[in-house]
Amino acid sequence: EIVLTQSPATLSLSPGDRATLSCRASQSLSRYLAWYQQKPGQAPRLLIYDASNRATGIPDRFSGSGSGTDFTLTISSLEPEDFAVYYCQQRSNWPPLTFGGGTKVEI
Amino acid sequence: QVHLVESGGGLVKPGGSLRLSCAASGFMFHDYYMSWIRQAPGKGLEWISYISGGGGSTYYVDSVRGRFTISRDNAKKSLDLQMDSLRVDDTAVYYCAREGELGWFDLWGPGTLVTVSS
Repeated sequence: EIVLTQSPATLSLSPGDRATLSCRASQSLSRYLAWYQQKPGQAPRLLIYDASNRATGIPDRFSGSGSGTDFTLTISSLEPEDFAVYYCQQRSNWPPLTFGGGTKVEI
Repeated sequence: QVHLVESGGGLVKPGGSLRLSCAASGFMFHDYYMSWIRQAPGKGLEWISYISGGGGSTYYVDSVRGRFTISRDNAKKSLDLQMDSLRVDDTAVYYCAREGELGWFDLWGPGTLVTVSS
C-alpha cells in the first residue's frame, strides 16, 4: 500500500499569503496524484488531478506540481474561502486508493 | 443537475447492520465506477470499496472485507453499501463518490453519518 505523507499538518497564514502544501509518497506515483479541498461539514472537492491539471471551475490561483514521490499544491494568494483542509490522493498503484492525512490551512 | 445523495445512516449498536444508499442523477450512472469513502470524526479520508460500472468488479479494503458488501442497480441509478458486524471504529461519515472519466473522484455526495455505539 502506498503511504502519502502530507506536511505541514497545519499552515497558519493570512489572506493574500502564498500557501505551499507538500505530499510525499512512499513509492513513485509518476504523476498519478490529485488534490482535494474540504471545508467543514462539506464533502471534498477535486482541485487538481494528474499532479498539475486544474479540475473544471477551479481558479488559477491553485496550481500543482511534482512527479515521482514529491508533490506540491500552491495557492498563490489566499482568499478567505480557501481556508480549509487539503488532501492528496494517489491512484498509481491500486487497489487500495490512498489519501494523505491532510493539511489544514487556517487563518 | 449532476448529483449524488446518500441516505441510510444512523445509530447502530456494535455487531449490528446498516444499509446505505446513494442516489445518482444527471449523468449516465452505468458508465462510471463508484466508490464509498469514509471519514471518521476529526480524521482523514479512507477509501473503502469500489464497484465497476456493470457491477462485475468490486474491491474492499482489509478493514471492511467480509463485513461490507457494495452493490449497484443501474436501472434505479442507485449504489448501496450493506454493512454487517459493525464495530465502533466504523463510526464515520460515509460518502459515495464517482470516479470520473479521468480516473479521479470528481463528484461526491454530501455524506451520511454512521454512529456505532452501545
